[in-house]
Amino acid sequence: DQQVKQNSPSLSVQEGRISILNCDYTNSMFDYFLWYKKYPAEGPTFLISISSIKDKNEDGRFTVFLNKSAKHLSLHIVPSQPGDSAVYFCAASGGDNNNDMRFGAGTRLTVKP
Amino acid sequence: DAGITQSPRHKVTETGTPVTLRCHQTENHRYMYWYRQDPGHGLRLIHYSYGVKDTDKGEVSDGYSVSRSKTEDFLLTLESATSSQTSVYFCAISGAGGPNEQFFGPGTRLTVL
Repeated sequence: DQQVKQNSPSLSVQEGRISILNCDYTNSMFDYFLWYKKYPAEGPTFLISISSIKDKNEDGRFTVFLNKSAKHLSLHIVPSQPGDSAVYFCAASGGDNNNDMRFGAGTRLTVKP
Repeated sequence: DAGITQSPRHKVTETGTPVTLRCHQTENHRYMYWYRQDPGHGLRLIHYSYGVKDTDKGEVSDGYSVSRSKTEDFLLTLESATSSQTSVYFCAISGAGGPNEQFFGPGTRLTVL
């Protein structure tokens, strides 16, 4: 039972354009969401997070939007750069056990020069 | 970068043999986690620890045990490895636990033949 879903396994964009990565969740108890970025042969690294009391959080080129009614969040990268090419994981926590963070399957982003 | 190392980085073993993976941190963080990453599933929590000798199960704990006798070390043991446990294993640490940022190690690729 995958409670966090990233339905696009891959995404390709041109350098300088916007990248939009999507994530859906099914557990209404989730109240904190995070995005991680992963390069090959490395561990994931934290990118940005958002609490359910907000609907937007921005950090430089990265913005996360949360739509609680739709149980949907998205990560916007503007402008996209070739160094952003990586796998992006959406994660969510909350409910009975805050330590049991659930991850999506990931979206591979390729930014073409 | 957070001081997290995992050993070994790669291991090939046979079905039925015991395997122990080690995670070592130099950050003195209270929380430590073991995840496995498989295609189509993202990262799934196996076990986590919230202090020395304090551990709890995650989403996919069957077939795994853990131990934490020192703050800096968190061991993951497969008592009798099976081919379904072929995966990439990541250790993570967090100072505050809960829905906060986790810092991941470089991963261990385990192949069970």
